[in-house]
Amino acid sequence: DIQMTQSPSSMSVSLGDRVTITCRASQDIGNYLSWYQQKPEKSPKLMIYGATNLEDGVPSRFSGSRSGSDYSLTINNLESEDTGIYFCLQHKQYPLTFGSGTKLEIK
Amino acid sequence: EVQLVESGGGLVQPGRSMKLSCAASGFTFSSFPMAWVRQAPTKGLEWVATISTSGGSTYYRDSVKGRFTISRDNAKSTLYLQMNSLRSEDTATYYCTRRDGYCFDYWGQGVMVTVSS
Repeated sequence: DIQMTQSPSSMSVSLGDRVTITCRASQDIGNYLSWYQQKPEKSPKLMIYGATNLEDGVPSRFSGSRSGSDYSLTINNLESEDTGIYFCLQHKQYPLTFGSGTKLEIK
Repeated sequence: EVQLVESGGGLVQPGRSMKLSCAASGFTFSSFPMAWVRQAPTKGLEWVATISTSGGSTYYRDSVKGRFTISRDNAKSTLYLQMNSLRSEDTATYYCTRRDGYCFDYWGQGVMVTVSS
């Protein structure tokens, strides 16, 4: 199975900060990587697909990038509505595997 | 507007069965693979199963293989998850989700399944 190692597990940041969350894949997954935001008691929301593509309706302060087996979600100019838990997902092969999640809080 | 509405959850004893349903609307259901993803209380997301557009291909995580069956009725725009021989570790919120390319672009609100005596 492909392991997705996500870091950090939690972050406490200030409004206006730049935030980067990373997932490292244990095997080659190409660009079959997506990012999801989950608010408390809500279902996940697709933010980024294909490692770098912004889902329709997602603010442009969100972006995705790849460097080798490391995949990053970056949020520029953090806003209060960006709090929540972020997960990555590899869709290269079954079983599909999620990262363990990053809880993003405002200081 | 795409909508996915799960139903069928609740409290069930270990070893018993339960069937989840997901009613889809707002898109051509038969054109999209569908999946179930679960989340145990206070835990992360875990993929459970995926089904192809026709239902001819299905994929499962090892821990549910042989116990769970994913199926679909394209005429009714409904996705199902038959869960047999339930275990305490199956306790989770189960989400129905639509696969678009290589991501899950729409999710239902989730349905809670609690396996306990």
